[in-house]
Amino acid sequence: KQEVTQIPAALSVPEGENLVLNCSFTDSAIYNLQWFRQDPGKGLTSLLLIQSSQREQTSGRLNASLDKSSGRSTLYIAASQPGDSATYLCAVEGPNAGKSTFGDGTTLTVKP
Amino acid sequence: DAGVIQSPRHEVTEMGQEVTLRCKPISGHDYLFWYRQTMMRGLELLIYFNNNVPIDDSGMPEDRFSAKMPNASFSTLKIQPSEPRDSAVYFCASSLGQGRTDLTFAYEQYFGPGTRLTVT
Repeated sequence: KQEVTQIPAALSVPEGENLVLNCSFTDSAIYNLQWFRQDPGKGLTSLLLIQSSQREQTSGRLNASLDKSSGRSTLYIAASQPGDSATYLCAVEGPNAGKSTFGDGTTLTVKP
Repeated sequence: DAGVIQSPRHEVTEMGQEVTLRCKPISGHDYLFWYRQTMMRGLELLIYFNNNVPIDDSGMPEDRFSAKMPNASFSTLKIQPSEPRDSAVYFCASSLGQGRTDLTFAYEQYFGPGTRLTVT
């Protein structure tokens, strides 16, 4: 059974800092890993999707990496802003096609 | 496209009543997922469909829960009878999954806004 862990559970940083969120998974037979953002009381918004064959993806100030062999992914946020405050979840699809397992998320607070 | 559409957005019902949640996936997507989110258990996959066929319902908590997908543009999640512990936010998501068995393909899941269910 795939298990996904996100560390830390919560993070508070001053505006402008670069930060890293971590995601680890137990079964490396994955199809992809997806990072989501969730604002309070809202649905999930996809940020980045890394295919199994890729090592990283970038979108603006966000960079996600994937190391399948070690079962780890990181989400790097550059020059954080108060608008980045949200809960960030990672989801791993696999080993069963179509079946995704989510971590519990990291709640990020960026202070002005 | 309007994205994944869910209805109702909020539902308050009394214990023992039947609850039906509805979802319209993004047009053309062939995978549909139902998730439940609670503070205690996080986001859990309940069931997912591929081409309207249920593929894995191992996450459905018990027989009180059932899901159907009569066509490519509509799915329901029904709880009968409902209990207070069913209170949660229920999300529907869809993705395009052709070629999913090929590890070089990967498709994003798109989530609906969710239905907040409160059972009193």
